[in-house]
Amino acid sequence: GAGVSQSPSNKVTEKGKDVELRCDPISGHTALYWYRQSLGQGLEFLIYFQGNSAPDKSGLPSDRFSAERTGGSVSTLTIQRTQQEDSAVYLCASSLRTGGDSPLHFGNGTRLTVT
Amino acid sequence: AQKVTQAQTEISVVEKEDVTLDCVYETRDTTYYLFWYKQPPSGELVFLIRRNSFDEQNEISGRYSWNFQKSTSSFNFTITASQVVDSAVYFCALSEARNSGGSNYKLTFGKGTLLTVNP
Repeated sequence: GAGVSQSPSNKVTEKGKDVELRCDPISGHTALYWYRQSLGQGLEFLIYFQGNSAPDKSGLPSDRFSAERTGGSVSTLTIQRTQQEDSAVYLCASSLRTGGDSPLHFGNGTRLTVT
Repeated sequence: AQKVTQAQTEISVVEKEDVTLDCVYETRDTTYYLFWYKQPPSGELVFLIRRNSFDEQNEISGRYSWNFQKSTSSFNFTITASQVVDSAVYFCALSEARNSGGSNYKLTFGKGTLLTVNP
């Protein structure tokens, strides 16, 4: 079946511009996560959505970052006034249910380059 | 706070060698889950295994085996008779419950170990 889909796969933007990254989770998965992977830094948690509950935004690095999930499915991560330090691969993942035993299924990521 | 440490940044082996990837974790919870993920050069993270904190049995799956020891807070991963296709970054991750009005099982990842298997 279809996996987690992210678009675009690559994005180059100028410093100060806004960008939107899109994630289509696996159908039927109730939980959706955004992570950021910087070179040599592992994966950094950004935000988590679970059903209709309030999202956990504890990982967002600044108020320039925001995310929403419409209709419990597609999610958009928005970065306003991008900075060079925002350059990274942004990974989206979904899981079937909330529960520590439910593995995350990751998309291929969006590679963001801020020039 | 939860923390995952993968002390080995890079490992290079020759094909058919056995290799062990180390993972040490910290958590205050008594209930938690441990995971290993593989990230090949293509970039997509692939789930390999999950282990819960109540099950310390080691597991073997083909050439892969995992050694979970609560006494040392370690969850090490061994590849037997390594192959070139095993070359990837391997991440260890920890998931614990936070009872803050609901459950949030977000994963905390280690920084990964880059494994290179040379022919």
